[in-house]
Amino acid sequence: EAGVAQSPRYKIIEKRQSVAFWCNPISGHATLYWYQQILGQGPKLLIQFQNNGVVDDSQLPKDRFSAERLKGVDSTLKIQPAKLEDSAVYLCASSLEGLGGNTIYFGEGSWLTVV
Amino acid sequence: KQEVTQIPAALSVPEGENLVLNCSFTDSAIYNLQWFRQDPGKGLTSLLLIQSSQREQTSGRLNASLDKSSGRSTLYIAASQPGDSATYLCAVGQAGTALIFGKGTTLSVSS
Repeated sequence: EAGVAQSPRYKIIEKRQSVAFWCNPISGHATLYWYQQILGQGPKLLIQFQNNGVVDDSQLPKDRFSAERLKGVDSTLKIQPAKLEDSAVYLCASSLEGLGGNTIYFGEGSWLTVV
Repeated sequence: KQEVTQIPAALSVPEGENLVLNCSFTDSAIYNLQWFRQDPGKGLTSLLLIQSSQREQTSGRLNASLDKSSGRSTLYIAASQPGDSATYLCAVGQAGTALIFGKGTTLSVSS
């Protein structure tokens, strides 16, 4: 079974530039998550999708971050304009449903450095 | 607001030792608790998932316990090996929310 796929793995950009990350969840998984993990911290939820609808985006900095999952499968996370404090790993994860009983599977992350 | 704390932040042990990692949470109204492993430059791998009605889960040399009323969980690793070196993250699930993570414990096992 293929895992959660993310790209690009690494990205270096200058502040005020834009960047986009792509995620393809495990086939059949209805729930998709984007987490931000700053070095030395635990992952923090940015946005959760159930199929193509947003369940929770309360911690998404909406003035600069956007995310979409148009067909209920893959998803894109965009940052525009980037700030230095956006340097982090962006982890995509998926689960069968957004219920507590399901195991959540993470991708290997997209590592962003803003200089 | 749920807060998850992991102690210690870092731990170094010689190979073969048994060890315990601790996780505490402030709101006992959880749905489940998961332990993850993260290797440098990698994503998270789920190790054990404990439902709120369960007291423990075991997988190989790993045993995780859950005491919901006291807001605590422990991850016990038996006979540690250098390959166990990684960061271990605890996360709680609550109804209607995504997982809330602690900051992790970085484990180093020397041969």
